[in-house]
Amino acid sequence: LAKTTQPISMDSYEGQEVNITCSHNNIATNDYITWYQQFPSQGPRFIIQGYKTKVTNEVASLFIPADRKSSTLSLPRVSLSDTAVYYCLVGGNTGFQKLVFGTGTRLLVSP
Amino acid sequence: DTAVSQTPKYLVTQMGNDKSIKCEQNLGHDTMYWYKQDSKKFLKIMFSYNNKELIINETVPNRFSPKSPDKAHLNLHINSLELGDSAVYFCASSPDRDSLSEAFFGQGTRLTVV
Repeated sequence: LAKTTQPISMDSYEGQEVNITCSHNNIATNDYITWYQQFPSQGPRFIIQGYKTKVTNEVASLFIPADRKSSTLSLPRVSLSDTAVYYCLVGGNTGFQKLVFGTGTRLLVSP
Repeated sequence: DTAVSQTPKYLVTQMGNDKSIKCEQNLGHDTMYWYKQDSKKFLKIMFSYNNKELIINETVPNRFSPKSPDKAHLNLHINSLELGDSAVYFCASSPDRDSLSEAFFGQGTRLTVV
């Protein structure tokens, strides 16, 4: 399983764009990159998933360079309610249970 | 309607007791999971069930026994509770066992063993 490395924490202010980068140097050919968000006292929630280039949904964008050894989750114009822990997971089509949650990145958004 | 619901949300009990946590999903998913999140916030998978059958049992003491009466329910029974069992336990479900389809988590059960 590809190991991931993320910053432990990040700080931002309301209205700013936040980019969280995840390193996964030993990503395998059939691995996808998935991001989850966890608010305090809640379970993780799926944000976005991608394989290469760029994926965008109503919540975030995911940028994946050609070598796929890293990925960047981009949150546009964050608000206080985006304060949460963000997990980067890497895995192939062997099922969700094989995905490993690392330490995640604790994002704190201030007024 | 809550997609994945767990009960109770909080559970305080004494060492040595036996307790159960219930989980139900109304998403029609085939696969369900139990995760443990410790005080350092590491989230680790404990069990995975697919259509009522156990498909993953990570290194978990046999005091923990999952039970799946049907594919919409996955309960967790814990015998002889220990202080180290204190954690937040999350139930989750996903459409199937082989894909990376989005998984849905419950709100968690905060277990405190005193």
